[in-house]
Amino acid sequence: QPVLTQSSSASASLGSSVKLTCTLNRGHDTYIIAWHQQQPGKAPRFLMRLEGAGRYNRGSGVPARFSGSSSGADRYLTISSLQSEDEAIYYCETWDSNTWVFGGGTKLTVL
Amino acid sequence: EVQLVQSGAEVKKPGESLKISCKGSGYTFRSYWIGWVRQMPGKGLEWMGIIYAGDSGTRYSPSFQGQVTISVDKSINTAYLQWSNLKASDTAMYYCARHGDYSHADYWGQGTLVTVSS
Repeated sequence: QPVLTQSSSASASLGSSVKLTCTLNRGHDTYIIAWHQQQPGKAPRFLMRLEGAGRYNRGSGVPARFSGSSSGADRYLTISSLQSEDEAIYYCETWDSNTWVFGGGTKLTVL
Repeated sequence: EVQLVQSGAEVKKPGESLKISCKGSGYTFRSYWIGWVRQMPGKGLEWMGIIYAGDSGTRYSPSFQGQVTISVDKSINTAYLQWSNLKASDTAMYYCARHGDYSHADYWGQGTLVTVSS
């Protein structure tokens, strides 16, 4: 079954860029993932679908500041021109034939 | 506009039963899967299970199999998550989410807070 590993925290300055990582376990490095954002006190929000080849599709209304990329088993979420409202927990998600899994989430602090 | 609207917060006692709901609108409900996700206080997202609204086909996480029941009434575009014997450890926020093509979540409900306390 797939397993997703994320760093627990990250920080970056207002107006800068940050790259968050989600790593798939061995044998699952071709899997498609999704990125979700959860702002404090709110429900998660779908950001994008990201393929192993690096192609991504943003969800409805998601700003172009959010982009995705891939390298091997790593899936990245890059947020550019950081804004205060980007301070949130970011989760990756993937699925198999009969199961879905989430990463542990990365808490992003905007300094 | 796709929307998933969940039922309101619940306060229950251990041993009681509960059924919470998730009503979809703005899309063809029967053509999509609805998943349920638990978030315990201060913790991450845990996948519980998923149901296809068209035929009620269901998959459960091994962690939740036998602990909850997921169902759907496509005539009223509503999915359900129910417990027959609540425990204090069921205290959490529960989210429903639409899944397209048996893949990732692409729209989320606002969440239902369930508190189980004697």
